Parts: sequence; structure tokens; C-alpha cells
Amino acid sequence: GENVEQHPSTLSVQEGDSAVIKCTYSDSASNYFPWYKQELGKRPQLIIDIRSNVGEKKDQRIAVTLNKTAKHFSLHITETQPEDSAVYFCAAKRWGSQGNLIFGKGTKLSVKP
Amino acid sequence: SAVISQKPSRDICQRGTSLTIQCQVDSQVTMMFWYRQQPGQSLTLIATANQGSEATYESGFVIDKFPISRPNLTFSTLTVSNMSPEDSSIYLCSASSGNTIYFGEGSWLTVV
Repeated sequence: GENVEQHPSTLSVQEGDSAVIKCTYSDSASNYFPWYKQELGKRPQLIIDIRSNVGEKKDQRIAVTLNKTAKHFSLHITETQPEDSAVYFCAAKRWGSQGNLIFGKGTKLSVKP
Repeated sequence: SAVISQKPSRDICQRGTSLTIQCQVDSQVTMMFWYRQQPGQSLTLIATANQGSEATYESGFVIDKFPISRPNLTFSTLTVSNMSPEDSSIYLCSASSGNTIYFGEGSWLTVV
């Protein structure tokens, strides 16, 4: 089955700097990769996702890149703000299947003002 | 997007008792899932709730401990049976129509 590894487990940056979180997956059939942000005491919220027919996707300060050959994908947050502080989870599944999401272990991002 | 409501949002339970968590989606969805998130940890899938049939459980989770119902396309329940302190966790309902998966607010259970 699928296995998703996520690094780093914690990340601390200064406000305005960029943050990068990386994930690798094991199942070459996985082709849908969402990222979730979870603030303390709240539900996970989908912030961006990418399909394997696309190498990069951007949404304002957030971008996700995918390297299918190497089976890894990354979340990039530019111009970080204190409100970006949260736990970020990557996940993988097969697009269009009834399979479930397999999550990475999460990255706790702290943005210091 | 789907709006998912769970209840209870929080409860303190006595060990040995059982608690049922309800999950209501505001639209018909294809798939519903139950996840567990222990404090400071990632999300672990308990089972896929199948409409009109038995749930599909992941390794390490069994029907006797976590019975699940899904009577229709918008509603599901998860029961945590014979609770012990190790069951203290957040239980999250999720749903999808297609590939995007949305989560409920979670039910925080503390077993004392």
C-alpha cells in the first residue's frame, strides 16, 4: 500500500521568509496530492492540491510542485505571515478511485513575527 | 464543497462505556470515512463507511471496537466501544464526491 513520508517535522521561519515542506510517496499509481492545513483545535482544511499530469500549481503565496519520476512533491509558502503558523499535512491517493487519502506525519510550521 | 457536521464536538467518557459520534453532510456524497487523530499526531484512517453495507476497516481496527453505520448518502455514525484511556483522541468524519476530501470539525473524546 501507499506510504507517505513528510519532512521536516517542525519548521521555524521568520515572517516574510519562505517555507518549504517535502513529501515522498511510494505508490507509483498515486496521482492526486492534496495539502491540508490544521490550526490548533480545528479541522484539517484543504489549501492546495495537484494532479500528476501537472508539475506545478500556484495559488497566491502557496505553490505545490510534483516530481513524478522521483515520487516527491513539495509545498512552498512565500512571504510567510504569523497566521501561516499551523500543522501542514501532505497526502496521496489515486485520482478517481474510491481509495482513501494516506497522510504524511505532518509539519508544524511556526512563523515568528 | 461539502459542509460536514459532527456531534458531539467534545465529551468526557468513563472507561468501559461506549459513545456514538454522528456525522451529517449537507449534500449527497459518494464516500465517507472515519479518521482518528491522536494528540500531536497525523490522521489515521479507521474505516470507509459504505452506504447500505458493512464498513471497510483498515488494519488494526475492528468492527467490534468501532462499529460504523451509513444508512444513506449523507449520514454516518461511529461508535467507540468499551472505551479505555488509549481511545482518547479526536475522531474525524470526512466525505468526498470525487477527489476532494473534506473534514468535519472532529469529536474530541477523553476517556477517564
